[in-house]
Amino acid sequence: AQSVTQLGSHVSVSEGALVLLRCNYSSSVPPYLFWYVQYPNQGLQLLLKYTSAATLVKGINGFEAEFKKSETSFHLTKPSAHMSDAAEYFCAVIIKAAGNKLTFGGGTRVLVKP
Amino acid sequence: GAGVSQSPRYKVAKRGQDVALRCDPISGHVSLFWYQQALGQGPEFLTYFQNEAQLDKSGLPSDRFFAERPEGSVSTLKIQRTQQEDSAVYLCASSLAATGSSGNTIYFGEGSWLTVV
Repeated sequence: AQSVTQLGSHVSVSEGALVLLRCNYSSSVPPYLFWYVQYPNQGLQLLLKYTSAATLVKGINGFEAEFKKSETSFHLTKPSAHMSDAAEYFCAVIIKAAGNKLTFGGGTRVLVKP
Repeated sequence: GAGVSQSPRYKVAKRGQDVALRCDPISGHVSLFWYQQALGQGPEFLTYFQNEAQLDKSGLPSDRFFAERPEGSVSTLKIQRTQQEDSAVYLCASSLAATGSSGNTIYFGEGSWLTVV
């Protein structure tokens, strides 16, 4: 069973426009949730994480995400896209009952148009 | 070191050749993970170590894949008799915590890019 689903494998936004990347999880117990970014030929860098504190989480580079239990979602947003935001973004979960490992979504590649 | 270090960064192997990929986690990190990332896909879990103990190897795709962490620090992922479908980026990650109950941050290395020809 898929634990985390990212809607849209590719997203194209104009520079200065809102970035919205969607992530939904499937778990009967709220998991720990993460967003990672991967630049070309590089490893994964943590943007932000939700660990059952505040539902609105602020991360690096102006990104934030909101945990919505009723919608089982953890969508990532940034008010104004920058050219340097072009990368691949991965949503990931740790299901508390399933051990310590991160389970990743399929990723969303963001293209920023000038 | 300051981050998770992996070597080699790039490896081209002939089909049937054995390869060994090394991971040097962040100093003092208890947990170590290996992931496989195929082109255009999200990372897939391979195996997990807590110190030197391999607590979860459920993601290893076949018995050709073997991982070890004998002294609880450096880890090696070995792939025997490589096949073309083994071509992927192999990511190593580490975290300070022994369990995921605190949602501890998991830090990733830059990966070892394996191409089997």
